[in-house]
Amino acid sequence: DIVMTQSPTSMSISVGDRVTMNCKASQNVGSNVDWYQQKTGQSPKLLIYKASNRYTGVPDRFTGSGSGTDFTFTISNMQAEDLAVYYCMQSNSYRTFGGGTKLELK
Amino acid sequence: EVQLVESGGGLVQPGRSLKLSCVASGFTFSNYGMNWIRQAPGKGLEWVAYISSGSSYIYYAETVKGRFTISRDNAKNTLYLQMTSLRSEDTALYYCARGYSSWAYWGQGTLVTVSS
Repeated sequence: DIVMTQSPTSMSISVGDRVTMNCKASQNVGSNVDWYQQKTGQSPKLLIYKASNRYTGVPDRFTGSGSGTDFTFTISNMQAEDLAVYYCMQSNSYRTFGGGTKLELK
Repeated sequence: EVQLVESGGGLVQPGRSLKLSCVASGFTFSNYGMNWIRQAPGKGLEWVAYISSGSSYIYYAETVKGRFTISRDNAKNTLYLQMTSLRSEDTALYYCARGYSSWAYWGQGTLVTVSS
C-alpha cells in the first residue's frame, strides 16, 4: 500500500500568514494527489485535484504543487475561515490519505 | 443539487453485522463510481471501498477486505455497505462520496459504533 506522510501534523498560525504543508508518498503517484479541507463537524471539501488544479469556486489563495512523491499545499494569505484540518490523498493505487495537518490560531 | 444521504448506522456488538445505505439525488447515479470513506472519532480519513458505475470494478482497503461488501442498486439510486464481523476498530463516521477520485461530493455521514 502507498503511504502518504503529511507534515506538519499541526501549525499555529495568524491571519494573513502564508501556510505551507507537505505530503510525501512512499512511491511514485504521478500527479494523482488531491487536497481536502475538513472543518469541525463537516464533511471534507475538495480544494485541489490532480496535484495542482483548483476545484470550482475555490479561492486562489489555495494552491497545490508537486509530482512523483513530493507534494505541497499552500495557503497564501490565511483567513480565519481557513481554520481546519487539511488532508492529502493519493489515487494512483487504491486510495490513501495523509494523516492531516491541523491549523490553529496562534 | 447533488445530494448524498447516508443511513443505517447505530450501536452494534462486536462480531455482528450492519448494512449502510447512501441515497443519491441530483445527478445520474448510474454514471458514477462511488466510495465509502470512514473517520474514527478524532482521527483522520480512511478510504474503505470503491464500486464502479456498473459494479464491474470493486476495490477494498485491506483493513476491511473479506468482511465488508460494497454494492449498489442503480434503479434505486442507492449505494450500500454490508459490514460483517464488526470490530471495535470499525467504530467511525461512514461517508459516501461520488466519483473515481477527486471527490467533490460527500454525504454527511452515518455513525457506526461497535461496542458490547
